[in-house]
Amino acid sequence: AQKVTQAQTEISVVEKEDVTLDCVYETRDTTYYLFWYKQPPSGELVFLIRRNSFDEQNEISGRYSWNFQKSTSSFNFTITASQVVDSAVYFCALTEVGNYGGSQGNLIFGKGTKLSVKP
Amino acid sequence: DGGITQSPKYLFRKEGQNVTLSCEQNLNHDAMYWYRQDPGQGLRLIYYSQIVNDFQKGDIAEGYSVSREKKESFPLTVTSAQKNPTAFYLCASRRGPSGANVLTFGAGSRLTVL
Repeated sequence: AQKVTQAQTEISVVEKEDVTLDCVYETRDTTYYLFWYKQPPSGELVFLIRRNSFDEQNEISGRYSWNFQKSTSSFNFTITASQVVDSAVYFCALTEVGNYGGSQGNLIFGKGTKLSVKP
Repeated sequence: DGGITQSPKYLFRKEGQNVTLSCEQNLNHDAMYWYRQDPGQGLRLIYYSQIVNDFQKGDIAEGYSVSREKKESFPLTVTSAQKNPTAFYLCASRRGPSGANVLTFGAGSRLTVL
């Protein structure tokens, strides 16, 4: 069955530290998508990145970078030189779109990692 | 700007009362979703709709009801049958049902049962 595990419930760092948020997934499908969303204190989830199962290239966007490794079923997220504005809950999510995904394409979310960046 | 509007942002309800949460989108998205978020539990799918006049139960549909009479609107009713309704409710939409499409979320509604 499909499952997303974010083992880190809460992380606290001091501003300018680098921090990595872990995401491990389980799927029977060969075709799937992985996502990261950010939920600031305001509550609205904000899309950060989408990666399909055939694209293992790492992605860098400013201070954010993502490391996708199919061999370990992981899609980890690193924030470099963290800032107070990075404080939020971060969710990793998975959809299966191949043989096991069906037509619904519903997302399975991890339980989230709460990141606190202190000045 | 296009987006999703949820109202009210905060809602208090007495036990035994039904309450309806509003969700409106102007993104011209076909698919709409309701999620429930509890502390430390992530997001759980309540109901979803891929086209107008059609909707399906998600993982935790008991005690909830929805309608999809218009493409732009997907209201959620929390009924008195929902045993533990205090939670944060998020509405989302995306262009189509494919799992490749990105979900856009509203700002959420926080329901507290007194």
